[in-house]
Amino acid sequence: NAGVTQTPKFRILKIGQSMTLQCAQDMNHNYMYWYRQDPGMGLKLIYYSVGAGITDKGEVPNGYNVSRSTTEDFPLRLELAAPSQTSVYFCASSQNDPFEAFFGQGTRLTVV
Amino acid sequence: QQQVKQSPQSLIVQKGGISIINCAYENTAFDYFPWYQQFPGKGPALLIAIRPDVSEKKEGRFTISFNKSAKQFSLHIMDSQPGDSATYFCAASFKGGSEKLVFGKGTKLTVNP
Repeated sequence: NAGVTQTPKFRILKIGQSMTLQCAQDMNHNYMYWYRQDPGMGLKLIYYSVGAGITDKGEVPNGYNVSRSTTEDFPLRLELAAPSQTSVYFCASSQNDPFEAFFGQGTRLTVV
Repeated sequence: QQQVKQSPQSLIVQKGGISIINCAYENTAFDYFPWYQQFPGKGPALLIAIRPDVSEKKEGRFTISFNKSAKQFSLHIMDSQPGDSATYFCAASFKGGSEKLVFGKGTKLTVNP
C-alpha cells in the first residue's frame, strides 16, 4: 500500500524560481492537506481540500497555490521562491476526520 | 485563540521510565485531541487521540490524560523504550469535523538505554 506519496524528497531552489511539489494518495480520501514544518515549530497548514475542485487557505497560504483536479492528486505550487519558504513540506490525506490524517514522508526544500 | 502550547521542548528519559508531555489550549471549541509521533525523516503518524467527554484513554504503554476544566491534556509513555525516541506533537481540532488541525510545537523525546 503506497498511502500518500510525495515527490521530490529533496530540492534546492534559487530565489525567484518556481516549482511544484507533487502529492498523490491511493486511499480514495476526500480530504487532502499541505503543511510546512519549520525547526522547533509544529506543523502549519498551508492549504487544504475537501474534494476535487474545492480548495481553501490554511494558516500560511502566502506564496503558494494549489489545485485539486482529481481525488488522488493535490500539487502545491511555489511561485517566486523566497528563503522564507525553506522548510519541510508534508502532504496528508484523510477520509473524513482531519485528525486521522495519513502523512507522506515529506519534501525538504531549500531556497538559496 | 487557536494555539496549542506544548511542553517540554525536549525530554530525556532512561529506559523503563515514564515520559510525560503536556499540552494546554485556550479555545473551548476544540473537541478532539490527537497525538502524533514522528521519527526522523518521516511524516507524523497518529498515535492516540481523545475526546473531551473522557478523562483518560489508554492504548498499550501510551495514555492520554485530559483535564477539561484546566484545558490541559498530557501524554504518558510508560516503560519508555529506546524505540520510543521520536518527536511527539499534540494537536487539536474544532467541532463539526473541522478541516483544520492545530499543532503544538513538538517534544523531542530521547530514551537512553
